[in-house]
Formats: sequence, C-alpha cells, structure tokens
Amino acid sequence: GAVVSQHPSWVICKSGTSVKIECRSLDFQATTMFWYRQFPKQSLMLMATSNEGSKATYEQGVEKDKFLINHASLTLSTLTVTSAHPEDSSFFICSASETADRPQHFGDGTRLSIL
Amino acid sequence: QKEVEQNSGPLSVPEGAIASLNCTYSDRGSQSFFWYRQYSGKSPELIMFIYSNGDKEDGRFTAQLNKASQYVSLLIRDSQPSDSATYLCARKDSNYQLIWGAGTKLIIKP
Repeated sequence: GAVVSQHPSWVICKSGTSVKIECRSLDFQATTMFWYRQFPKQSLMLMATSNEGSKATYEQGVEKDKFLINHASLTLSTLTVTSAHPEDSSFFICSASETADRPQHFGDGTRLSIL
Repeated sequence: QKEVEQNSGPLSVPEGAIASLNCTYSDRGSQSFFWYRQYSGKSPELIMFIYSNGDKEDGRFTAQLNKASQYVSLLIRDSQPSDSATYLCARKDSNYQLIWGAGTKLIIKP
C-alpha cells in the first residue's frame, strides 16, 4: 500500500521550455503533498507544501512563478517548471501522506536536465 | 546546532552483522520520527516510523526511541549488501513538515 507514482522519471529539454511533473497517490487519498529538490550528494530541500484545494505554501527562496504547483484533487499534484534554464536542472521528488501526521511516501523522482 | 543530527559515516559493517544507526534531535516536543533509506540517484523509501518510547520491530529492522535522551536509532539485523545505502532520520515539526538529518552512509561488506 501507500504507492506514489511520479511521472515522467526523466526529462531532457531545451532552455525556455516549461515542464510539468505529475505526482499521484495510487492507493490512498493524499490531503497533503510535498515537493522536494535534491542536488547531487546534498540533502533533500523542501520546495513547497501542497494541500488539496488550496494554494501551495512555498519555502523561503523558492520562486512561486518559476515553480507552479497545483493540487486539484486528493490524488494528484503537479509541479510545472516554467521557462526552464540549465540552472533549474535537478532531481525533483514528490511525497504524499494520507493526513498531515502520517508518514510521507515518496515518488520515484524526476530527473530534469535543461540543455 | 542542527535540529536532527546524524553521523555522516560511512559506517562499514560486515555482512550478517547488526548495523546500528543513530540520530539525535534538539526539539523536545517532537512526537513522530521516521527512518528512510535512499539509494544513490533514487528517492527516499520509508523503512520505519515510531511515535512512542521503546522499540518497534519490523522484520530485520528495529527502531528505538528515547524521548528523554532525545535519540532515535535504527538497528538492521543480518545485514545484507543490498542494505548499503544512505539512511535518513527525520522528525515531523509542528507544521507536519519533515526535518531531515544529513543521512548516514551505510556500507555492508560481503
């Protein structure tokens, strides 16, 4: 149980392209989803917390207009990297939990490479 | 002082032995604690969570929580080479966000 699916797993695209990443909870309803970013050999960095039906709460230093988050249903959250540039290249990972106090279950991550 | 502290390692353990991973935290109000395993280039995978003082066992894994001493540990019995990974300790803060340790790299030597 508690499976989180993230798609796509790998994206390579040209600078200036917008990229959408989907995060789905397959066998549970997720009131809260989280988006993280991780650079090689570094810790996970929380980007934003997303609650179903409301605006995402972004961490300090994360550009809201660059990283658009939508959590339209209890099983789906999306992260759109707008007008991506090479410095946006990173490993993006989502997680979801049934309720805020329950464990977070992670998707497999999306490796984004901007040329 | 970091909120969640772990020895970065690497911790080298012979195959078949018990691997002991430790984590301390600074917020006495913390209620829930989690151990995740992360292989290189992959996303974290939940191994154990523990909310109450004492031990919690699941297969080869045992999580131990001591709130008075503010530490949580993970024991891995009969260590296998496939257990080699980075183990992340985390606690939930009052906003239910995970506060992460830096992770301990575990190497199981055949």
